[in-house]
Amino acid sequence: RKEVEQDPGPFNVPEGATVAFNCTYSNSASQSFFWYRQDCRKEPKLLMSVYSSGNEDGRFTAQLNRASQYISLLIRDSKLSDSATYLCVLKPTGSARQLTFGSGTQLTVLP
Amino acid sequence: ETGVTQSPTHLIKTRGQQVTLRCSSQSGHNTVSWYQQALGQGPQFIFQYYREEENGRGNFPPRFSGLQFPNYSSELNVNALELDDSALYLCASSLAGSGNTIYFGEGSWLTVV
Repeated sequence: RKEVEQDPGPFNVPEGATVAFNCTYSNSASQSFFWYRQDCRKEPKLLMSVYSSGNEDGRFTAQLNRASQYISLLIRDSKLSDSATYLCVLKPTGSARQLTFGSGTQLTVLP
Repeated sequence: ETGVTQSPTHLIKTRGQQVTLRCSSQSGHNTVSWYQQALGQGPQFIFQYYREEENGRGNFPPRFSGLQFPNYSSELNVNALELDDSALYLCASSLAGSGNTIYFGEGSWLTVV
């Protein structure tokens, strides 16, 4: 079983729609969680960290459920510029600062 | 602009050849990691260097090796290239103890033919 599993999509949504991505992880020792965004043929960029209490950054809301080992990202009022691949990322407990990435969910926002 | 630069940006190699990819970390960052991202996949951790020593390695064979220099710049070397080594290679730098901030370079696209 992969350490991080995501629905690969693609998700094709109209502008203004609300879209949600889910991610499950298997390593219960994982300590930190993130959503990264990756544009086509570019490097991943940190979108937001994910906290157990849930956190919001503008149109983006992230949730973490440690009991179910489940992470989500909600995007409200989708913009054309939100089109990208969204990567679920975790950092296991330990001194090495390695990140474990999911395979990503592709989002296309249509005009 | 992350301050992490990688070179070359694109290259084509023949199966069996060797390749060296380079990374210049953000100023002051003493930790560098390398990731391989195949098409349609998320990045996979190759290894990490801290103060010129390898301190973590993913599930990659020994023909993937690296170096970190006193100025914290880094190299990734891959010997005996295989077709499946075709991927985007990402360098990420960070400062140990600084929390979770990790900065990625734009990557080097390697095609093995």
